[in-house]
Amino acid sequence: DIQMTQSPSSLSASIGDRVTLTCRASQSISSYLNWYQQKPGKAPKLLIYAASTLQSGVPSRFSGSGSGTDFTLTISSLQPEDFATYYCQESHSTPQKTFGGGTKVEIK
Amino acid sequence: QLQLQESGPGLVRPSETLSLTCSVSGGSMGGRGYYWSWIRQHPGKGLEWIGYIYYTGSTYYNPSLQSRVTISINTPRKQFSLKLSSVTAADTAVYYCARDSLRQLYYYSMDVWGQGTTVIVSS
Repeated sequence: DIQMTQSPSSLSASIGDRVTLTCRASQSISSYLNWYQQKPGKAPKLLIYAASTLQSGVPSRFSGSGSGTDFTLTISSLQPEDFATYYCQESHSTPQKTFGGGTKVEIK
Repeated sequence: QLQLQESGPGLVRPSETLSLTCSVSGGSMGGRGYYWSWIRQHPGKGLEWIGYIYYTGSTYYNPSLQSRVTISINTPRKQFSLKLSSVTAADTAVYYCARDSLRQLYYYSMDVWGQGTTVIVSS
């Protein structure tokens, strides 16, 4: 089974900061990697699929990169509405789906 | 715009069967390239994929839950359902339904989610 590890588990940042979140797969998953944002009490929202493709309607300050085992989600300039928990999810081992443990982005 | 809405009992007794339904509005369920999924989230924890179903009725389940899970679909009624048997307190969670969509020929991602429903297992 593929394991997905996100780091850090939480981080504190200020408005306007550039923030980079990391997701690592236990084996190569090519570009089969999605990123989701979840705010408290809300359902997850798809941000990026296929490692780097921005979902329609998602602000361009979000970007994704990586392939193989190492991936990053970058927020170029952190906005107040971006404070949330971010999850990566692999779709390489379809039909099986595995999520990472999440990274919580908090206000410094 | 496609919307999903979960419904079902918020309280289930231990050893009984949890039953939830996801109703789809604003679109059809019969298209190729879409799987209809269930995901859960334990209190304060991360996301756990439960399983999904294709419009043909083909199902795939998380191996850790496979012995207790059944997902079914009713495309004319635009609903799909989750049954989880022999529940314990460890099944207390928020349950989400979602659409898993095929993109760029190869990539699946969950692009539409229901708002989630809380299920508590307790006597």
